[in-house]
Amino acid sequence: KQEVTQIPAALSVPEGENLVLNCSFTDSAIYNLQWFRQDPGKGLTSLLLIQSSQREQTSGRLNASLDKSSGRSTLYIAASQPGDSATYLCAYSGAGSYQLTFGKGTKLSVIP
Amino acid sequence: EAGVAQSPRYKIIEKRQSVAFWCNPISGHATLYWYQQILGQGPKLLIQFQNNGVVDDSQLPKDRFSAERLKGVDSTLKIQPAKLEDSAVYLCASSLALMAGGTGELFFGEGSRLTVL
Repeated sequence: KQEVTQIPAALSVPEGENLVLNCSFTDSAIYNLQWFRQDPGKGLTSLLLIQSSQREQTSGRLNASLDKSSGRSTLYIAASQPGDSATYLCAYSGAGSYQLTFGKGTKLSVIP
Repeated sequence: EAGVAQSPRYKIIEKRQSVAFWCNPISGHATLYWYQQILGQGPKLLIQFQNNGVVDDSQLPKDRFSAERLKGVDSTLKIQPAKLEDSAVYLCASSLALMAGGTGELFFGEGSRLTVL
């Protein structure tokens, strides 16, 4: 059974701090892993997609890494801003499976 | 480029009533997904279409839920009769055609929030 765990469930940091969100998954044979952002009452916005052949992806202040051997991914946010406050979800697609399995997310609050 | 469109955004119904949600995917996206997200949980896949064919509906409660994508573009998700536990946000997503080994990047709509009283 495919499972995704995200730790911590909630995180509060002062503005300007660098932070790391963690995601672990049970299936080492993954096809890709995707990080999403969800604002309250909104849908999901795709942030970064890492293919199984890649180790990391970067977009602006965001950097996501993938370690298939340990079943872990991290999302690094540099110089956090209040506008980064949202819930961050990771999801992966197992190789040969067309289903995307989601974690419960980490709720991030960046305090001005 | 227009994103995934969903309607209605909000719906409140009594239990045992019926409800339908509509989704229009990003133009050119062959794959369409319906997810259910209960408060505090990650989204759970209900059904996945490739063009107008069903790829995966293993987690769709078929006694009360149905979905169709007749022309390979728009899709509707119906619940009849609704139960209290169906209260959730129903998210539609789309992606380009499925890759040989798995699913591509997903793009989500704003969701339809259902409250069953």
